[in-house]
Amino acid sequence: SQTIHQWPATLVQPVGSPLSLECTVEGTSNPNLYWYRQAAGRGLQLLFYSVGIGQISSEVPQNLSASRPQDRQFILSSKKLLLSDSGFYLCAWTEGQGRDTEAFFGQGTRLTVV
Amino acid sequence: AQSVTQLDSQVPVFEEAPVELRCNYSSSVSVYLFWYVQYPNQGLQLLLKYLSGSTLVKGINGFEAEFNKSQTSFHLRKPSVHISDTAEYFCAVSEVNTGFQKLVFGTGTRLLVSP
Repeated sequence: SQTIHQWPATLVQPVGSPLSLECTVEGTSNPNLYWYRQAAGRGLQLLFYSVGIGQISSEVPQNLSASRPQDRQFILSSKKLLLSDSGFYLCAWTEGQGRDTEAFFGQGTRLTVV
Repeated sequence: AQSVTQLDSQVPVFEEAPVELRCNYSSSVSVYLFWYVQYPNQGLQLLLKYLSGSTLVKGINGFEAEFNKSQTSFHLRKPSVHISDTAEYFCAVSEVNTGFQKLVFGTGTRLLVSP
């Protein structure tokens, strides 16, 4: 069966520090991968998605970047964190085109920038 | 572009009472509709989805939702809630004709079930 791993679960980082969140998927090949952010009092916002290795699409201009170095690995990064980067970050994947299929989510990373 | 509105940020209800969580969407194209549930500090889990066909969709845990195209709504219902249903519920849409899924979520509704 397919599983998705996301770590760390919680993270407290000072303003200006770098960030690296990792997500890996098992049990499937060539998944579509996503990074969402859930800020306090707001819904989930799609940040990045990827249809293949090295292919990244950004949905929202921001202080963050994403990379997909391997088929089932998706990394969210920042060179210098801002206070506004605080939130709950969720990685997700879908199979194939995925328009009508279920999106499977990781357990999330709660990031607090202080 | 699509948008999703969940007017109720929080819905308190007593155990075994019925509940309805409202969802309205706006889109110039056809969309698929989804409801996801999020338990504290966890990821999201799919409750149900509407793709086509019957407008009444049944999902897991006794939830159902009805698609109303004229009112652009997709309200979630459960006839009798349990304490374990306490969670945050998100309505989402995905444009039918794009080559890739991009879920647009509402702001969520927190369901609080008390004894």
